[in-house]
Amino acid sequence: GDSVTQMEGPVTLSEEAFLTINCTYTATGYPSLFWYVQYPGEGLQLLLKATKADDKGSNKGFEATYRKETTSFHLEKGSVQVSDSAVYFCALIAGNNRKLIWGLGTSLAVNP
Amino acid sequence: NAGVTQTPKFQVLKTGQSMTLQCAQDMNHEYMSWYRQDPGMGLRLIHYSVGAGITDQGEVPNGYNVSRSTTEDFPLRLLSAAPSQTSVYFCASSYETGFSTGELFFGEGSRLTVL
Repeated sequence: GDSVTQMEGPVTLSEEAFLTINCTYTATGYPSLFWYVQYPGEGLQLLLKATKADDKGSNKGFEATYRKETTSFHLEKGSVQVSDSAVYFCALIAGNNRKLIWGLGTSLAVNP
Repeated sequence: NAGVTQTPKFQVLKTGQSMTLQCAQDMNHEYMSWYRQDPGMGLRLIHYSVGAGITDQGEVPNGYNVSRSTTEDFPLRLLSAAPSQTSVYFCASSYETGFSTGELFFGEGSRLTVL
């Protein structure tokens, strides 16, 4: 069945470091891919998305490119801030039932 | 603009007690859903609704009931709480009835502890 695999956390970085959070997927057909972010004490919110191969989603300095050949959608940011400390979820929607399939989440802590 | 509002934010129950988690949205969204979030398990869908009067089960529906009498409200009922239902619960909505875009709007969550 459809699935999403994220790198395990926690990830700890210093401010201004480069961030990569890996996400790979298995899906039938042509899924849409998403990154959601959950700040401490809050609900999830959509960070970015890509709906077809080679699309790049971007928001708040974060980017992710839909790579069909490697079935990946890695999240990157060139220079993280303390305010980026959160849990990041990769997700996909595919197939006829159009259900969101979630990764387990990756916790990021950014130290000043 | 309130978005998705969940109440209560925190609740402690004893085994066997019942309660209702409330969820309301003011965005006129057709699609609403309930998730639970547990450490190491990610997000799991409990129940969802594609419109008033229509509900369906997600992947972990046992022990929970829902109803959708209005577009705005989607309460989650625990009829006889069990310690396994200790979790953080999120309500989420979407403007797409067919839920084709994958963009969900989440509430802030309700933390439930069952003793």
